[in-house]
Amino acid sequence: QMQLVQSGPEVKKPGTSVKVSCRASGFTFPRSAVQWVRQARGQRLEWVGWIVVGSDNTNYAQRFQERVTITSDMSTSTAYMELSSLRSEDTAVFYCAHGAGSDFDYWGQGTLVTVSS
Amino acid sequence: QSVLTQPPSVSGAPGQRVTISCTGSSSNIGADYDVNWYQQLPRTAPKLLIYGNSNRPSGVPDRFSGSKSGTSASLAITGLQAEDEADYYCQSYDSSLSGYVFGTGTKVTVL
Repeated sequence: QMQLVQSGPEVKKPGTSVKVSCRASGFTFPRSAVQWVRQARGQRLEWVGWIVVGSDNTNYAQRFQERVTITSDMSTSTAYMELSSLRSEDTAVFYCAHGAGSDFDYWGQGTLVTVSS
Repeated sequence: QSVLTQPPSVSGAPGQRVTISCTGSSSNIGADYDVNWYQQLPRTAPKLLIYGNSNRPSGVPDRFSGSKSGTSASLAITGLQAEDEADYYCQSYDSSLSGYVFGTGTKVTVL
């Protein structure tokens, strides 16, 4: 059974960085695409970027391009999303999701990132 | 920047049929990119409901159906049930943004 397990909640100060992990089980991690999606409280879903595991091919949404880095570690079947220069508006739940095609068929449970001084 | 527009809310009585529209443009839905739909229950991760415009993943009831025409797509829920009360999002690829985009989201209320 496909499962994505994300790291726990984070509290960060403005201007710092956060790195969220997403560990996969039940599917072939290499050559799978892992997507990252952000959702602020009460707001819509917002695509952050993707990585094709194994090829390290990445693509980032234009609004996050300067601040986000998505990586993966095949040895542990884990993908990471690092967001830098955090500001209060980045307070949100971040989800990872498996993307076989253009759809996101399996989702992690979400990681709440709180940015507060 | 939201490029897929949905109505903020729709409602219906149990057993009724409701539809949710998703309006895009020539750089996403109109460019023949697939539309996918997600259901998000309160305080949970989204769940894939429809993929490839009109296909249901295993386990999704056939009360849910999707369609696409031109620069728009629609999600229909027939035989509305209390458990369908949730937020629904469409999603596609946008060539001008070179990335995926989600709709503005629609809250479905069962009266």
